Amino acid sequence: QVQLVESGGGVVRPGTSLRLSCVGSGFTFRGYGIHWVRQAPGKGLEWVASLAHDGSNKRYVDTVKGRFIVSRDNSKNTVYLEMNGLRPEDTGVYHCAKDETVYGEGAWYFDLWGRGTLVSVSS
Amino acid sequence: DIVMTQSPDSLGVSLGERATINCKSSQNILYSSRNQNYLAWYQQKPGQPPKLLIYWASTRASGVPDRFSGSGSGTDFTLTISSLQAEDVAVYYCQQYYIPPVTFGPGTKVDVK
Repeated sequence: QVQLVESGGGVVRPGTSLRLSCVGSGFTFRGYGIHWVRQAPGKGLEWVASLAHDGSNKRYVDTVKGRFIVSRDNSKNTVYLEMNGLRPEDTGVYHCAKDETVYGEGAWYFDLWGRGTLVSVSS
Repeated sequence: DIVMTQSPDSLGVSLGERATINCKSSQNILYSSRNQNYLAWYQQKPGQPPKLLIYWASTRASGVPDRFSGSGSGTDFTLTISSLQAEDVAVYYCQQYYIPPVTFGPGTKVDVK
């Protein structure tokens, strides 16, 4: 079954850290860039971070630069999002999403999404 | 950053009737040398993740019914559902992938009238 499954969310205090995981199955995981997109409660979609199929070309939205780190372990079919210095405005469902293009620089539109994991940052 | 806007915010359409959603980008997202518009459309049903419907502004993703179509170029785009079905009730988002950071429109909610 072709799918992405996220985990690692939770309720945390401002300033703390979380590490999200995204496990892919049913496709050649190492061939595809993976992106993180978040959705605040009742709100729209916001791209957060991306990395290429080989772990290179990491990019972040300005609001998380210096706080979030994206990485991957292709031997485990897993991408990670390490989130540090969490803020209330980071609250939302974090989806990982697969780039449509195999290898290369990626197409930057997303043909497979996970159901997401909820991160809630509150004092 | 490229700002994406959508209209209307919400739309009530009778079953079997046409639904039209508009999306506008704050700058051109047509790559002229490739003649491709870097725009995608997604459908998100309640409690579900987004689903890719359309990419390159008018190419339907695998398995998407042909009642969904995309059109437009440059800065103005349209998603059309030719004959609304009950299962099409959802929020629809456009997304530009011309320049990082990729950005999404605020969404259009489609309901049955």
